Amino acid sequence: DVKVTQSSRYLVKRTGEKVFLECVQDMDHENMFWYRQDPGLGLRLIYFSYDVKMKEKGDIPEGYSVSREKKERFSLILESASTNQTSMYLCASSPTTEGVAKNIQYFGAGTRLSVL
Amino acid sequence: AQSVTQLGSHVSVSEGALVLLRCNYSSSVPPYLFWYVQYPNQGLQLLLKYTTGATLVKGINGFEAEFKKSETSFHLTKPSAHMSDAAEYFCAVTPTPWNSGGYQKVTFGTGTKLQVIP
Repeated sequence: DVKVTQSSRYLVKRTGEKVFLECVQDMDHENMFWYRQDPGLGLRLIYFSYDVKMKEKGDIPEGYSVSREKKERFSLILESASTNQTSMYLCASSPTTEGVAKNIQYFGAGTRLSVL
Repeated sequence: AQSVTQLGSHVSVSEGALVLLRCNYSSSVPPYLFWYVQYPNQGLQLLLKYTTGATLVKGINGFEAEFKKSETSFHLTKPSAHMSDAAEYFCAVTPTPWNSGGYQKVTFGTGTKLQVIP
């Protein structure tokens, strides 16, 4: 089974802190994603990466950056956390293969971040 | 461009009753359609998918969905709800891949929370 592991389930940070959310997948997937999940808004894509050191902005990249130094690891960085970044953050991965397989995303359990 | 609309952010059914979760999509090209389920304190996992071919798709845990092109719908059903079905369900759409490799944007709906009443 594909496993996507997010390093923290719950985080509490102060406004202005630099925050790192880590995600590791063990299936050698090329694509990795960061979403935030808010009630009534569903999943919104923050950033994705299709290869090591490659990244693309998603729908809501403002206030976030990412790092992908190794294929299996994708980090989300909040340079200066703000209260409006309090949310559930989900990491996902998917393979780059033919057909529908590359559209199936495998998710981690999520990190619930509270910024006070 | 593509979008997904899930009607009803909360749905309640009695245990043993029919589950019907609605999803309508729009897509400028033939779509691939998905349902994901999120149990409490967990990430999303794939429930079922439609690509091409048979329009009635069966998934895990007794769920199924029917692709209706004329109605641009992909509603999720289960004949008899079980307490363990209580979760949030997300419909998702992506365009049919037209080239090899590359990322195909997946658009998720806003989710429907299913409550099962004993």
